[in-house]
Amino acid sequence: AQSVTQLGSHVSVSEGALVLLRCNYSSSVPPYLFWYVQYPNQGLQLLLKYTSAATLVKGINGFEAEFKKSETSFHLTKPSAHMSDAAEYFCAVSDQGDYKLSFGAGTTVTVRA
Amino acid sequence: NAGVTQTPKFQVLKTGQSMTLQCAQDMNHEYMSWYRQDPGMGLRLIHYSVGAGITDQGEVPNGYNVSRSTTEDFPLRLLSAAPSQTSVYFCASSFIGTGIGYTFGSGTRLTVV
Repeated sequence: AQSVTQLGSHVSVSEGALVLLRCNYSSSVPPYLFWYVQYPNQGLQLLLKYTSAATLVKGINGFEAEFKKSETSFHLTKPSAHMSDAAEYFCAVSDQGDYKLSFGAGTTVTVRA
Repeated sequence: NAGVTQTPKFQVLKTGQSMTLQCAQDMNHEYMSWYRQDPGMGLRLIHYSVGAGITDQGEVPNGYNVSRSTTEDFPLRLLSAAPSQTSVYFCASSFIGTGIGYTFGSGTRLTVV
C-alpha cells in the first residue's frame, strides 16, 4: 500500500515569505497525489492533484506542487504567504486507478504578521 | 448545494452508549469512507464502501460498524462508546478510479466521557 511522509509537523512563515511543505511518497510506481487544506473546525478541501499529466500542478489560492519521480516527492509551495494561509495541510496518495487514499500526518502552517 | 452532509456536528456520549453518525452525499459517488482525525496522526481510515451492499474494513475498524443500503447514505455506528473513540470523524466520497480526489463532509466532533 502507498504511504506518504510529511516532513515537519509545524511550519512558521512570515507574511509575504515562501511557503514550502514537503511530501514524499513510498512507491516506485507513479501514484495519484493530492494536497488538501483544513481550516480550523472545517473539513478538508482539495488544493491540487497530480494524476500523471503535467508534473507542475497549479491549485487554488496560489499554491502549486511539483511531482519529481526521481525524488519520489510532491512538495507544495506558495511564493508569498498570506495570513489566510494559516491552516493544516495534508498530503495524500493512492495507486493509479485505486480509490483508497493514504494521508500524511499533516503540517500546520502559521503565518506571522 | 451538492456535497457530503454529516450529522450531528457535535456529540457527547457516555462510555458504553451507542450512536450513529450520519453521512449522505448527492453526487452519485460510488466510493464512501469514514476517517477519524486525531492530533499528530493525520486521518485514519475506519471503514469504506465501493457501492451499495459492499463494505470493508480500513485501518482502525474496531468498535465501529457500517452498512450501505443506498448509494447516497453511509452511516457509522459506534456500538459501545469508549473514551478512546473521542475524535473528529469525517466522511468522504468520490468516483472510483478517476483520480479526482475526495469530497469531505464538515466533520463530527465526538467526545466520550
